[in-house]
Amino acid sequence: KAGVTQTPRYLIKTRGQQVTLSCSPISGHRSVSWYQQTPGQGLQFLFEYFSETQRNKGNFPGRFSGRQFSNSRSEMNVSTLELGDSALYLCASSISGSTAHEQYFGPGTRLTVT
Amino acid sequence: QKEVEQNSGPLSVPEGAIASLNCTYSDRVSQSFFWYRQYSGKSPELIMSIYSNGDKEDGRFTAQLNKASQYVSLLIRDSQPSDSATYLCAVKTNSGYALNFGKGTSLLVTP
Repeated sequence: KAGVTQTPRYLIKTRGQQVTLSCSPISGHRSVSWYQQTPGQGLQFLFEYFSETQRNKGNFPGRFSGRQFSNSRSEMNVSTLELGDSALYLCASSISGSTAHEQYFGPGTRLTVT
Repeated sequence: QKEVEQNSGPLSVPEGAIASLNCTYSDRVSQSFFWYRQYSGKSPELIMSIYSNGDKEDGRFTAQLNKASQYVSLLIRDSQPSDSATYLCAVKTNSGYALNFGKGTSLLVTP
């Protein structure tokens, strides 16, 4: 079974621009979560989607948004990029997102904001 | 803020030894516990999950959970240089769908 895929793998953007990242979960997985990883803060939860609905949101500004499509694929968008948004953005999929179900990570998108 | 704490390391062990990685968490209602391994420049890879008090073994890995002490650990037996990585402890409560991560422990296995 194919794993979680994320595109693009690398991005370089300029301050003030916006960016859209894409994630395709493992086949049969309906929950998609997004995380930001930086050296200083570690892995921080952004949001989680299930059946096209956002069920949980982390402590990030409104510039960070996401959505999920009917095929469970998900996108996240960051508007008005800041230098501090430079990070590894990770998508994880789970069967349902419940406590009993494990999350599997994709390879990540490395975003650099200049 | 619900905390997950790990010693950042580096933890250095000789090849063939047992590596012991520890994690404490602050939220008593935490239900699910996970260990991920992350090699430099790669994404986290799930190693173990544990949901009940006690030990869970999978090959060279053993996860141990003590909910009363709010403590979870990972033992790696017969450590290999290829085990050198950062090990992330993650905790999930039954009230949400997010994983709360520790900042990871860097493990170095020396030949």
